[in-house]
Amino acid sequence: GQQVMQIPQYQHVQEGEDFTTYCNSSTTLSNIQWYKQRPGGHPVFLIQLVKSGEVKKQKRLTFQFGEAKKNSSLHITATQTTDVGTYFCAGPGGGGSNYKLTFGKGTLLTVNP
Amino acid sequence: DAGVIQSPRHEVTEMGQEVTLRCKPISGHNSLFWYRQTMMRGLELLIYFNNNVPIDDSGMPEDRFSAKMPNASFSTLKIQPSEPRDSAVYFCASSLGPFGAYEQYFGPGTRLTVT
Repeated sequence: GQQVMQIPQYQHVQEGEDFTTYCNSSTTLSNIQWYKQRPGGHPVFLIQLVKSGEVKKQKRLTFQFGEAKKNSSLHITATQTTDVGTYFCAGPGGGGSNYKLTFGKGTLLTVNP
Repeated sequence: DAGVIQSPRHEVTEMGQEVTLRCKPISGHNSLFWYRQTMMRGLELLIYFNNNVPIDDSGMPEDRFSAKMPNASFSTLKIQPSEPRDSAVYFCASSLGPFGAYEQYFGPGTRLTVT
């Protein structure tokens, strides 16, 4: 079945440093979504990418969707303490169904002030 | 909009007891999902409903787990009997449609502890 892998599992940075997390799917995706979960909180939708090679920006966050639509990345420029949390990517499919999202295990980002 | 509402927020129970988790999705959303999150296994989809009908319950760990959606504004996840390994955070999420093209809105979760 479909697998969505994320690396790294953990990342600790100093405030002001950049951060990148990578997401790889075993199958081609029609779209990919990114979520953020603050410690003790719930996943919150950040963005969806649909087109091959698409790049979207949200302030200091840059999201990319690979040309083959099997990988994606999230890059944060000049991290702040408010960026702390776990970042998940998710793609439709899994178990032969497009009805659901398959989530990666996430990357936990901690920021040292 | 109040978002997805879950209750209770925390539940502590003893092994063997019945546990019922409740969810009210966002009005107008046609799909509802129940997830379980643990450190070891991450975010796991247990079951999802489309228009109140269970579509896929392949993620339900065993017969002790059951879920219902009697109407568009209410769903329950029941564990009977509960076991310590069921301890986790259970999230309910809803979306406009059943396909992975729609973003999912998660509730605050229920933290379940089974002793």
